[in-house]
Amino acid sequence: DAGVTQSPTHLIKTRGQHVTLRCSPISGHKSVSWYQQVLGQGPQFIFQYYEKEERGRGNFPDRFSARQFPNYSSELNVNALLLGDSALYLCASSLRGGTGQETQYFGPGTRLLVL
Amino acid sequence: AQSVTQLDSHVSVSEGTPVLLRCNYSSSYSPSLFWYVQHPNKGLQLLLKYTSAATLVKGINGFEAEFKKSETSFHLTKPSAHMSDAAEYFCVVTPISGGYNKLIFGAGTRLAVHP
Repeated sequence: DAGVTQSPTHLIKTRGQHVTLRCSPISGHKSVSWYQQVLGQGPQFIFQYYEKEERGRGNFPDRFSARQFPNYSSELNVNALLLGDSALYLCASSLRGGTGQETQYFGPGTRLLVL
Repeated sequence: AQSVTQLDSHVSVSEGTPVLLRCNYSSSYSPSLFWYVQHPNKGLQLLLKYTSAATLVKGINGFEAEFKKSETSFHLTKPSAHMSDAAEYFCVVTPISGGYNKLIFGAGTRLAVHP
């Protein structure tokens, strides 16, 4: 079975640009979460979506937005990129995402470098 | 509020010797606790999880962890280290129930295994 897939694997942007990252969950999973992992730190929660609705949001500015499509895939958008947005962006999928008893399965990530 | 403290940023062991990675947590709610492993340039892989069942949890690749409520700890152990265990390890906490499943990561422990 295919795991969580993310595209692109690597991306280089300049300050002020916009970026879109994509994620496809495991088949049958309806919830997608996004995390940002800055070099040398643990991942930080950005968003969780379930059935196309935003269920939760972390402490990130409004420059960060996301959406989930009818096929449960998801996009993370970041506007007006800053140098500090350089990080590994991880997508995780789970069945429903509503409780801590569910496991979140992570994709390989998209490494974003902002110059 | 919930938080996780990984007590060692780096741990170095010799191949064939025991591994101990320490984690303390703080949670206002009954927690679910996880250990994830991240190999270089790879995504996060679940090692094991605790969700209020047995306090001694066995995971993949010979790892196990014990939930100790009185000590608010969830230390990860392995009897005998293998070279392939060299990686970054993250302790993770989340509420066992709630509206959504937001994973809170520790800062990580880098495990080095020497011949």
